Amino acid sequence: EAQVTQNPRYLITVTGKKLTVTCSQNMNHEYMSWYRQDPGLGLRQIYYSMNVEVTDKGDVPEGYKVSRKEKRNFPLILESPSPNQTSLYFCASRTLRQGYEQYFGPGTRLTVT
Amino acid sequence: AQSVTQPDIHITVSEGASLELRCNYSYGATPYLFWYVQSPGQGLQLLLKYFSGDTLVQGIKGFEAEFKRSQSSFNLRKPSVHWSDAAEYFCAVGRPYNQGGKLIFGQGTELSVKP
Repeated sequence: EAQVTQNPRYLITVTGKKLTVTCSQNMNHEYMSWYRQDPGLGLRQIYYSMNVEVTDKGDVPEGYKVSRKEKRNFPLILESPSPNQTSLYFCASRTLRQGYEQYFGPGTRLTVT
Repeated sequence: AQSVTQPDIHITVSEGASLELRCNYSYGATPYLFWYVQSPGQGLQLLLKYFSGDTLVQGIKGFEAEFKRSQSSFNLRKPSVHWSDAAEYFCAVGRPYNQGGKLIFGQGTELSVKP
């Protein structure tokens, strides 16, 4: 089954404790992206990647890092989480061919206390 | 700057009634337009998309949307709402991948369905 998976689905952590949220897709998509969803703001892009070793900032990159060492994986790293990073995070992927939409993972709900 | 506006934060309709969710966008070029649905505790599922051609597009679950360039709108419609349609709906504009490829989302419209 074609899908985007994220782990963990739920995470409660404390300020300053480094964490990684994993994202993996099995569709051989070139493009992967991270979004955060906050009430009243919709989803906003954090980082994206066009292919292996190619990443770039989205609209709200501060406090986040990403890496793309393999085509299928695109982890999101919070080196020193803060309470304002409490949010619902979605990973997405798509092919670079025209006419194709982004596929979303199930989301990771992160709480930073 | 590109943006998407969903004017209605929350809408309540009776089961069996018709539904229209509004979406207005600001985008210089021909937009790629999407409607996604998010059920409680779930990820986002694509309902329908518009890239070009016929301005009335059909999607899953009986939804349709009409692209109106003159009004910069892409409203979502359903003739008869079911209780299972209660969810949050997001309109989005997609930038081409050579411009970053991101989706620009509206704020979302939460739909409640009365029995």
